Amino acid sequence: DQQVKQNSPSLSVQEGRISILNCDYTNSMFDYFLWYKKYPAEGPTFLISISSIKDKNEDGRFTVFLNKSAKHLSLHIVPSQPGDSAVYFCAATRARDDKIIFGKGTRLHILP
Amino acid sequence: DSGVTQTPKHLITATGQRVTLRCSPRSGDLSVYWYQQSLDQGLQFLIQYYNGEERAKGNILERFSAQQFPDLHSELNLSSLELGDSALYFCASSARWDREYEQYFGPGTRLTVT
Repeated sequence: DQQVKQNSPSLSVQEGRISILNCDYTNSMFDYFLWYKKYPAEGPTFLISISSIKDKNEDGRFTVFLNKSAKHLSLHIVPSQPGDSAVYFCAATRARDDKIIFGKGTRLHILP
Repeated sequence: DSGVTQTPKHLITATGQRVTLRCSPRSGDLSVYWYQQSLDQGLQFLIQYYNGEERAKGNILERFSAQQFPDLHSELNLSSLELGDSALYFCASSARWDREYEQYFGPGTRLTVT
């Protein structure tokens, strides 16, 4: 049972445009959501997070939107840069829980 | 550099064998997590230790075990290896058990079982 789903295995976006990565979840008990970024041959690195009491969190070029009624979140990257080419993992957890549930990831290609 | 180190980087072994993967968390971090990433899977949580004690278990097989030592480094032991155990194994650490969602990952150990 996949509780966190990233339905797009890959996404290609022109440099300078907006990249939108989507994530759906099934467990309404999740109250914290995270995005991690992974380059080849490296471990994932934390990117941005959002609490379920918010619907938006922004950090520089990265914004995460949460739609609780739809159990959907998205990561917006504006403007997209070549260094953004990586695999992005969506993840979710409950407060004081002991594990994070990760999606399978979306590979983002930023085209010149 | 996340500050989390993992050794070895690559490991090639045969079916039926046993291997040990090692992880050193960031300085001061008490929580250590192990994840498995197979070819077509996301990161699968295996197990978490906090200050030497097992705190949570995920999809960890009985053939796998882990421990965290007094100096806070952790080892993941994989035994009776099967071809399907070939994967990337990541270790992550975090400072506090209640903010474990901000985890810092090591570079991973790539295990190939032949």
